[in-house]
Amino acid sequence: SQELEQSPQSLIVQEGKNLTINCTSSKTLYGLYWYKQKYGEGLIFLMMLQKGGEEKSHEKITAKLDEKKQQSSLHITASQPSHAGIYLCGADGGSNYKLTFGKGTLLTVNP
Amino acid sequence: GAVVSQHPSWVICKSGTSVKIECRSLDFQATTMFWYRQFPKQSLMLMATSNEGSKATYEQGVEKDKFLINHASLTLSTLTVTSAHPEDSSFYICSASSRGTSGSSLDEQYFGPGTRLTVT
Repeated sequence: SQELEQSPQSLIVQEGKNLTINCTSSKTLYGLYWYKQKYGEGLIFLMMLQKGGEEKSHEKITAKLDEKKQQSSLHITASQPSHAGIYLCGADGGSNYKLTFGKGTLLTVNP
Repeated sequence: GAVVSQHPSWVICKSGTSVKIECRSLDFQATTMFWYRQFPKQSLMLMATSNEGSKATYEQGVEKDKFLINHASLTLSTLTVTSAHPEDSSFYICSASSRGTSGSSLDEQYFGPGTRLTVT
């Protein structure tokens, strides 16, 4: 079965700083999803990556998928308190849209 | 974007009773819905996949007789936790996809806001 490892597990940054969260898969990814979750709430879809080398940006968040399609990174530029939350990567192993999730990265942004 | 709702958002029930959680796609038809469970500070674990009009497919280790899933229409799926016990206390999240499982391209899943179940 596919496993996703996220790093770091938690991250505390000062407002305005840049940060990167990584997601590594044990198998080739057919699709990689990034979600944000406030504790005890649902998931907010951020981005989906499919092609090796693909990069997508939305506001101050950029996600990349490596050429081998086994690793993705999420980069936040000039972080703000509103970026705080749990970031989850989810992988589609190519079968019936079932997603496997990483354990998440808890981001705290101090003002 | 597409909206998925869940009801109730939180529920407290006594041990031994059953509780039903609804998942609705509000502005699209969901051919496939997924049910996840999340323990505090842990990731989401897929429990089952349900396709409209057919029996749900459960993940290994998930008791189908305990977690009854019904996907009677293209906009509604329900999860019933039967004879609930304190260890069933968790955060349950559903997601919906507008593409069937035979689709060849990916589509994002839209997640509901979750239901917190506490069994006393």
